[in-house]
Amino acid sequence: DVKVTQSSRYLVKRTGEKVFLECVQDMDHENMFWYRQDPGLGLRLIYFSYDVKMKEKGDIPEGYSVSREKKERFSLILESASTNQTSMYLCASSFLAGGQETQYFGPGTRLLVL
Amino acid sequence: SQQGEEDPQALSIQEGENATMNCSYKTSINNLQWYRQNSGRGLVHLILIRSNEREKHSGRLRVTLDTSKKSSSLLITASRAADTASYFCATGTMEYGNKLVFGAGTILRVKS
Repeated sequence: DVKVTQSSRYLVKRTGEKVFLECVQDMDHENMFWYRQDPGLGLRLIYFSYDVKMKEKGDIPEGYSVSREKKERFSLILESASTNQTSMYLCASSFLAGGQETQYFGPGTRLLVL
Repeated sequence: SQQGEEDPQALSIQEGENATMNCSYKTSINNLQWYRQNSGRGLVHLILIRSNEREKHSGRLRVTLDTSKKSSSLLITASRAADTASYFCATGTMEYGNKLVFGAGTILRVKS
């Protein structure tokens, strides 16, 4: 079975802190994604990556950056956390070229920024 | 606005009843997928239907796709309390590049 893991289930940070969220997948998937999920808004794509060191902006990249140094690992970075970044963050991966195939999700990280 | 929008926003039924959720979208699609999310967890893929398919089954799940109406429905037959979750449709379209666009979801509650 595909396994996507995220570094933390719950995280509490202070405004202005630098925050790292890490995602690891064990199925050699090319594509990896970071979403945030807020009530009533569904999932919104922050960034995605289709190869090592490659990244593309999603719908809401402002205030975030990403890093993909190894194929299995995709990190989301909040350079200076703000309260409006309090949210559920979901990582996903998929194995075919193009991101429209089945995505496999991690358990999510619920981030609270105080 | 959302490419995929689910209807209803929330649904409450008794165990054993069937649950039907609908998804409408705006542009031509390559495929449409349904995912389930249990409370506070990640999403789990349920079924993928391609634009040239009209119906697909997986266990108690039946998905239909009507590209002329730009809509899909997910039917869960003989529902169980364990089916309580949020259900999301996601569309893959060339217009949105190589990514899926998710709707806001339907919250399903199955009462035992």
